[in-house]
Amino acid sequence: GAVVSQHPSWVICKSGTSVKIECRSLDFQATTMFWYRQFPKQSLMLMATSNEGSKATYEQGVEKDKFLINHASLTLSTLTVTSAHPEDSSFYICSARDWGGNRETQYFGPGTRLLVL
Amino acid sequence: GESVGLHLPTLSVQEGDNSIINCAYSNSASDYFIWYKQESGKGPQFIIDIRSNMDKRQGQRVTVLLNKTVKHLSLQIAATQPGDSAVYFCAENLSGSARQLTFGSGTQLTVLP
Repeated sequence: GAVVSQHPSWVICKSGTSVKIECRSLDFQATTMFWYRQFPKQSLMLMATSNEGSKATYEQGVEKDKFLINHASLTLSTLTVTSAHPEDSSFYICSARDWGGNRETQYFGPGTRLLVL
Repeated sequence: GESVGLHLPTLSVQEGDNSIINCAYSNSASDYFIWYKQESGKGPQFIIDIRSNMDKRQGQRVTVLLNKTVKHLSLQIAATQPGDSAVYFCAENLSGSARQLTFGSGTQLTVLP
């Protein structure tokens, strides 16, 4: 299947700093990528839809100025957590949509664990 | 974080037995469904998918059944192995241009030796 990578896999930062997470589709082009966050023992919650060459679409309750998304190429989307606080500590996962034949499937990256001290 | 100590539904099966994981989806307009497997500390891994014009689809050791009448989806794993231990999520895809996935709450599958 299609491969999606994320970098870094984990990050620890001080409160007030900004953290950038990269999501790459390695063997396919993705006009659309998605960003999720997941708290322990919970399901994935969609944060935003990242569209190549246009503004991201944010889910209700997600601050767009807090979570900056840039999708500058067909293989890369970035999520920047600005002025991170301890409550932003979570597991952030991206996915990319691969239009394969008549199907469309989202393939997920390995996730980035963020710990804000 | 926002964790409130939720506990995932759990299923324990003996190695070699068959597993059945169930999922109720919410929107009758959903037309595409996917099962994902998530191991601890990793991203979800695609297992199998099914479109709403089908009621059964088989893969390697896995079968997905779709009952649109009662909005129910199930994942059957044959001859469950220790490596199958993980959290399993169903996801529904609402028809429309955004094609976003909505995830179920997940089921923790534990395979006993």
